[in-house]
Amino acid sequence: GQQLNQSPQSMFIQEGEDVSMNCTSSSIFNTWLWYKQDPGEGPVLLIALYKAGELTSNGRLTAQFGITRKDSFLNISASIPSDVGIYFCAGRTTGANSKLTFGKGITLSVRP
Amino acid sequence: NAGVMQNPRHLVRRRGQEARLRCSPMKGHSHVYWYRQLPEEGLKFMVYLQKENIIDESGMPKERFSAEFPKEGPSILRIQQVVRGDSAAYFCASSTLGASSITDTQYFGPGTRLTVL
Repeated sequence: GQQLNQSPQSMFIQEGEDVSMNCTSSSIFNTWLWYKQDPGEGPVLLIALYKAGELTSNGRLTAQFGITRKDSFLNISASIPSDVGIYFCAGRTTGANSKLTFGKGITLSVRP
Repeated sequence: NAGVMQNPRHLVRRRGQEARLRCSPMKGHSHVYWYRQLPEEGLKFMVYLQKENIIDESGMPKERFSAEFPKEGPSILRIQQVVRGDSAAYFCASSTLGASSITDTQYFGPGTRLTVL
């Protein structure tokens, strides 16, 4: 089955620092999405990418859809304490029964 | 506009009992998806439903698990004769356009944490 790889499992940064997260796949996806999950809550969509090469920003977040359609990255600039959480990448193929495939997530800790 | 609602938020069952998880999609959304999340894992797709129809159940175990999305009322994920391995967080998501649309956006509920003793 399709798998998305996110590593490392955890990242620790200082408040104010930038951080970049990568997501890779052995197969092609037509849509890439980045979600954030807070403890005890469901994932919240941060950024959606629909075209290879697309670069999209949402406030301090920037994400890119890789040219090969097998990878994506998320960048958070000037981190703040509320950026703490688990960041998941997810990919979708197209078609009537397309479904979201999630990575295992990266837990981000921000030291004040 | 209320978001996706799930209840209960926490559910404790003993082995062999039944678990019923409910999901009310966002207003105007007719597509519902169920996912399971094990500790320190990503979400795994289980089933995709439209009103009164199961579209894709390829991620759902063949036995003991069933899902429905009736014409009226919430979507229900039902687990019969629960076992310890069913302990997980179960998330529901809803959308307006459906999985065939490239720009379909799924909005997630807060999840139900099932613990099987």
